[in-house]
Amino acid sequence: AQSVTQLDSHVSVSEGTPVLLRCNYSSSYSPSLFWYVQHPNKGLQLLLKYTSAATLVKGINGFEAEFKKSETSFHLTKPSAHMSDAAEYFCVVSYRAGNMLTFGGGTRLMVKP
Amino acid sequence: SQTIHQWPATLVQPVGSPLSLECTVEGTSNPNLYWYRQAAGRGLQLLFYSVGIGQISSEVPQNLSASRPQDRQFILSSKKLLLSDSGFYLCAWSGHGTGELFFGEGSRLTVL
Repeated sequence: AQSVTQLDSHVSVSEGTPVLLRCNYSSSYSPSLFWYVQHPNKGLQLLLKYTSAATLVKGINGFEAEFKKSETSFHLTKPSAHMSDAAEYFCVVSYRAGNMLTFGGGTRLMVKP
Repeated sequence: SQTIHQWPATLVQPVGSPLSLECTVEGTSNPNLYWYRQAAGRGLQLLFYSVGIGQISSEVPQNLSASRPQDRQFILSSKKLLLSDSGFYLCAWSGHGTGELFFGEGSRLTVL
C-alpha cells in the first residue's frame, strides 16, 4: 500500500522568506512523486515531478524538491516566497503504471506582505 | 498541445435533482480519464477512472455514476443529488504509464 502525509495543513511565511512544505511517503515500490499547486477555485497544476532520475528536482516558479529515500521524504522548497505563491499544495505519490495516484491532504500556504 | 475542458464551472442544484458534468480532452488520444471530488476542508478523493471507452472503475460507493461515450469525453452524473454531493469536482487526464495528471478548471456544485 502507498500513502503520503503532508505534515502541515497550514504554513504562513512572509514575502521574501524561504518556503518549506513537508511531505513524507510510504510505498512498497520505487515511487514517482509529484507536487501540484491549486489556486482558489482552480484546477491543479503540476509544479514538479520525481521519477527516479536526479534526486533534486527543479520545477516551475522557482520551486524545487529533494527526494530522500532514507527519510522517505519529498519536501518542497523555495528560497524566497512571493505573494502569488499563496495557494494550496498537494504532494502526490504513484507507484503503478496504471496511474493510481495517492494525494496528500494538502498544505495551504499563506504569504504575508 | 493538449487541453482539457470541463463544464459547467458553477452549478447550484436542489436536493433530488439530476446532475451532469462534462469533461472533454483535446490533442491526445486514448487518455486515462479521472473524476475527483474535493469537499470543503478535505483533500482530493478519486471517484472514477477510465482507461478506455466504456471502461469505468469506481473507487468509492456513492450516489454518482460516470460514463465515457467517446474516447475523449467523460461525464459525471447523478439521478438524484444529495446535500453531501456538494463540492468541487475536478476532471483530469493522463497518458498511459506517465504518472502525471492534467486537470481541468473544476466545477463547483452546491446542493441546496
